[in-house]
Amino acid sequence: KQEVTQIPAALSVPEGENLVLNCSFTDSAIYNLQWFRQDPGKGLTSLLLIQSSQREQTSGRLNASLDKSSGRSTLYIAASQPGDSATYLCAVREDRDDKIIFGKGTRLHILP
Amino acid sequence: GAVVSQHPSWVICKSGTSVKIECRSLDFQATTMFWYRQFPKQSLMLMATSNEGSKATYEQGVEKDKFLINHASLTLSTLTVTSAHPEDSSFYICSAPSLRAAANYGYTFGSGTRLTVV
Repeated sequence: KQEVTQIPAALSVPEGENLVLNCSFTDSAIYNLQWFRQDPGKGLTSLLLIQSSQREQTSGRLNASLDKSSGRSTLYIAASQPGDSATYLCAVREDRDDKIIFGKGTRLHILP
Repeated sequence: GAVVSQHPSWVICKSGTSVKIECRSLDFQATTMFWYRQFPKQSLMLMATSNEGSKATYEQGVEKDKFLINHASLTLSTLTVTSAHPEDSSFYICSAPSLRAAANYGYTFGSGTRLTVV
């Protein structure tokens, strides 16, 4: 059974710092991996989608990497801003079906 | 881009009543809709998968008679929480795969429904 783990569960850093969020998954047979942002009480915003054949994706200050064989992904946020404060969720779509399995998320707080 | 409109965004209901949550795909046809539930500080957990014109598939431990799912058209899927109890209070969110979501078979999510049962 696929399990997705995100470390750390919570993170507070001063504004301007670069930071890395980690995601690991137990079954490497994935179709893709997606990073989402969720603001309190809100829905999900897709940040980056990485296909299983890709190594990384970039969007603005965000860079996501994927090492499928080792079951790991990282989300790198450059020059963090208070507006980046949110919960970041990692989710994998498995090869065998359309289900998405989510991690519990990392609650990020950027200190002004 | 692909949009899934979810309503209501929040609802408060009395214990024992039923609540219907709607998810509409606005600019694409959603043959499949996934329904998730999220408890505070927990991950999103898949409850069920609905397919247009057929019965929904429920995940283990989810009561199909309590969480009624209807997917009668390619643009509308509904989740009805029947005889709601306080323990059903949660954040419910729907999602549909869309070729337009990210040009690579991404998923589009509704904005979620916060259900509070009192």
